[in-house]
Amino acid sequence: EVQLVESGGGLVEPGGSLRLSCAASGFTFSNAWMSWVRQAPGKGLEWVGRIKRKTAGGTTDYAAPVKGRFTISRDDAKKTLYLQMNSLKTEDTALYYCTTRHLPTVTHAFDIWGQGTMVTVSS
Amino acid sequence: QSVLTQPPSVSAAPGQKVTISCSGSSSNIGNNYVSWYQQFPGTAPKFVIYENNKRPSGIPDRFSGSKSGTSATLDITGLQTGDEADYYCGAWDTSLSDLYVFGTGTKVTVL
Repeated sequence: EVQLVESGGGLVEPGGSLRLSCAASGFTFSNAWMSWVRQAPGKGLEWVGRIKRKTAGGTTDYAAPVKGRFTISRDDAKKTLYLQMNSLKTEDTALYYCTTRHLPTVTHAFDIWGQGTMVTVSS
Repeated sequence: QSVLTQPPSVSAAPGQKVTISCSGSSSNIGNNYVSWYQQFPGTAPKFVIYENNKRPSGIPDRFSGSKSGTSATLDITGLQTGDEADYYCGAWDTSLSDLYVFGTGTKVTVL
């Protein structure tokens, strides 16, 4: 079964750090360009950033609100995606999803989503 | 920070049609494929349209997408109560670097 499972969310104080994980199964993780998307309570979807597969350079891109504070990395041996979040702000409070495209017939869309992990930034 | 604009809500009676618009710019919709996502409360999004107008396996042909210039549209015909959800458009934005942008989201209500 194709699956993404996020973990690592929780309550953290402003200025703190947290690392999220996303465990992949059922598809060739090392080939996937992986993204993080977040959704603040009652709000819309917001793309956070992406990491390319290593054969494409393994480079990362980030949305402006998180650039310089968040870092995406991957461990292909463990089939796991990470999101290191530093200098957290209250506005980073959201449900964080990992997502990707795995179907070869699909392009430019996210066809697998995890269930999300909640991050709450509050004092 | 959405750069794709959608109407906040649309509604119609069962069996009718709703149209959701998504307005962007040349750096996103104008030069890249559009996808659409359906999200029910408390669940993860699910893609219903990719590459502007293609339906994934399992998505009924009541869902159709189109694109013209810097705008895209999702049509849902033969509206059913089970279609009541939030819908988001999305596209890569290649203005300065590769960023993905989502629409502001549209709530579909079945009257």
